[in-house]
Amino acid sequence: DAGVIQSPRHEVTEMGQEVTLRCKPISGHNSLFWYRQTMMRGLELLIYFNNNVPIDDSGMPEDRFSAKMPNASFSTLKIQPSEPRDSAVYFCASTSGSSYNSPLHFGNGTRLTVT
Amino acid sequence: AQSVTQPDIHITVSEGASLELRCNYSYGATPYLFWYVQSPGQGLQLLLKYFSGDTLVQGIKGFEAEFKRSQSSFNLRKPSVHWSDAAEYFCAVANTNAGKSTFGDGTTLTVKP
Repeated sequence: DAGVIQSPRHEVTEMGQEVTLRCKPISGHNSLFWYRQTMMRGLELLIYFNNNVPIDDSGMPEDRFSAKMPNASFSTLKIQPSEPRDSAVYFCASTSGSSYNSPLHFGNGTRLTVT
Repeated sequence: AQSVTQPDIHITVSEGASLELRCNYSYGATPYLFWYVQSPGQGLQLLLKYFSGDTLVQGIKGFEAEFKRSQSSFNLRKPSVHWSDAAEYFCAVANTNAGKSTFGDGTTLTVKP
């Protein structure tokens, strides 16, 4: 299994531009999570999906952030418009939500820099 | 609300020395506890987890952790540290959904030759 795949690995963009981060979870996993990691705030859960349905988006910082999961093998996190304070590493993780014994599997992250 | 405290931001140990990373949690019921390791430029990787049963759990790479309910702790240990163990370590607590884990702020481990 290739693990959780995120793209791009790095993204540098100017303030005001739209940014789309992509994630392919592990095949067979039915829960997907988007996290943001910064020095100041550590690891924060933004949103998670179960069976492609958003369950909890209380961590999404504001309306500029949106996430979709159109099918079991693909999810996107979009920021529009982007701001310098959005600069962070964004991680996607998946798990088999049917088992409490199943831990999170993280992708390698997307490092976003907004100038 | 659940919370996790990792009191040590940064720890330096010599290669071959023993290691203990501290983790204290706050949770109303029996927690599910995890330790993850993050190498530079990588995502988090699970080292070990505790759900129930034996309070001493073994993980990958020679790590172990002990759940102590009376102290609300889940400290990570390794008897002999290798240079490749240098990384950032995160303790996490969750309810039944591992994805809704609350993470500690992490402890950065430096290994001296």
